[in-house]
Amino acid sequence: SQQGEEDPQALSIQEGENATMNCSYKTSINNLQWYRQNSGRGLVHLILIRSNEREKHSGRLRVTLDTSKKSSSLLITASRAADTASYFCATDAEGNTGKLIFGQGTTLQVKP
Amino acid sequence: DTGVSQDPRHKITKRGQNVTFRCDPISEHNRLYWYRQTLGQGPEFLTYFQNEAQLEKSRLLSDRFSAERPKGSFSTLEIQRTEQGDSAMYLCASSTGGNQPQHFGDGTRLSIL
Repeated sequence: SQQGEEDPQALSIQEGENATMNCSYKTSINNLQWYRQNSGRGLVHLILIRSNEREKHSGRLRVTLDTSKKSSSLLITASRAADTASYFCATDAEGNTGKLIFGQGTTLQVKP
Repeated sequence: DTGVSQDPRHKITKRGQNVTFRCDPISEHNRLYWYRQTLGQGPEFLTYFQNEAQLEKSRLLSDRFSAERPKGSFSTLEIQRTEQGDSAMYLCASSTGGNQPQHFGDGTRLSIL
C-alpha cells in the first residue's frame, strides 16, 4: 500500500519559475528520499534526508522534513524544461530493510 | 555503463504463460530490490535480497511469483500462469545497504494479452 500522499498530483509552470511539491507519510522513518522518473524510464535518486535532519540542499533542489507533521517538501528553483518528469517521495521505515514505500507522485511540466 | 540493467525492456505474452525477468545490479551492491509500478502510481515493494538471501516478501507477491539471486549477483523474477492484472512495469534497484539511496534500472514492461 502507498505510504502517503503527494500534493499536487500535477503541476505546470513556466521555465525559470520555482516548483514546490509536498509529501505526507504515516509511519516513523529512518529517512525520506525523493526520486525523479522520466516517462518510460526507471527512477533516478535525487536526495536523501535523514529523520534527524530538517533541511538539505543539492544544486537547485531543497528538501525539508518535518517529522512532527510527517511531511516533506521538495523545491526546485529556476526550473528548466528538462525538469519535466514525475517526482516521487519514498520513505525508508525504521529498521534496516531499506524497503521504500512510495507516494503516488507529482507530475511536473515545465513549459519553455 | 555500470548502472542497473534489466532484461528484457518489454515483454508481451498471452495470459497463462510463464515469464522471467533478469536484473543485473551495480556490482558492489549487496542489496537488491524488486518493485512493481502500474500506470499513474508509485512503485510498490515486492521483495528484496541481501546478497543471496531473500529477506522479505510483500503480500503482493502471490504464490505465482518467485525471485532468486543465486550467487548474490544478478536476480531473476518469474511469474507463472500470468494474469491480466500482472501487466505492469517491474523495476529492479540495488544499494549498498539499508538507509541508503537505491539505484534503479529502466524496468521491464509486461503486457498480458
